[in-house]
Amino acid sequence: GENVEQHPSTLSVQEGDSAVIKCTYSDSASNYFPWYKQELGKRPQLIIDIRSNVGEKKDQRIAVTLNKTAKHFSLHITETQPEDSAVYFCAARNTGTASKLTFGTGTRLQVTL
Amino acid sequence: DTEVTQTPKHLVMGMTNKKSLKCEQHMGHRAMYWYKQKAKKPPELMFVYSYEKLSINESVPSRFSPECPNSSLLNLHLHALQPEDSALYLCASSQDARVGEQYFGPGTRLTVT
Repeated sequence: GENVEQHPSTLSVQEGDSAVIKCTYSDSASNYFPWYKQELGKRPQLIIDIRSNVGEKKDQRIAVTLNKTAKHFSLHITETQPEDSAVYFCAARNTGTASKLTFGTGTRLQVTL
Repeated sequence: DTEVTQTPKHLVMGMTNKKSLKCEQHMGHRAMYWYKQKAKKPPELMFVYSYEKLSINESVPSRFSPECPNSSLLNLHLHALQPEDSALYLCASSQDARVGEQYFGPGTRLTVT
């Protein structure tokens, strides 16, 4: 089955700096890669996703890049703000055969003033 | 309506109790999911319903019994739980089991005493 590794497990940045979280996946058939943000005590919230026919996607301060050859994808947050502090989970799925999302282990992002 | 709702928000139950968790969505989604999330861990898939039929059971113990009465509702019946079952139980839905983003409900915080 699919295995998703996520790094780093914790990340501390100063407000205004950029943050990058990286994930690798094992199943070359995976073709859908969402990112979820989970604030303390809240639900995971989908913030951006990318499909395998696209190499990069951007939405305001967040962007995701995908390298299918290397089987890794990354979340980039620019101009970080304190409200970006949360746990971020990457995930992967093969939409052709499976409805199961395989999650990474999560990254706790702390944005300090 | 673009939300997944869950009731109750919190539940404390003894090991001999029977209780149910409820999930509802009115987005016309035909796939619904139950996840279990322990502290500092990613969501862990339990069950997937596709068009009101159970399509995935991730080898979940029989003390957890899912039910999908109609396309908008998903229940999780709990019986004879163990303290280690204490966790956040998340419901999610998507347009279809193979396409569409998964949106999570706020979860039920379950404590088994």
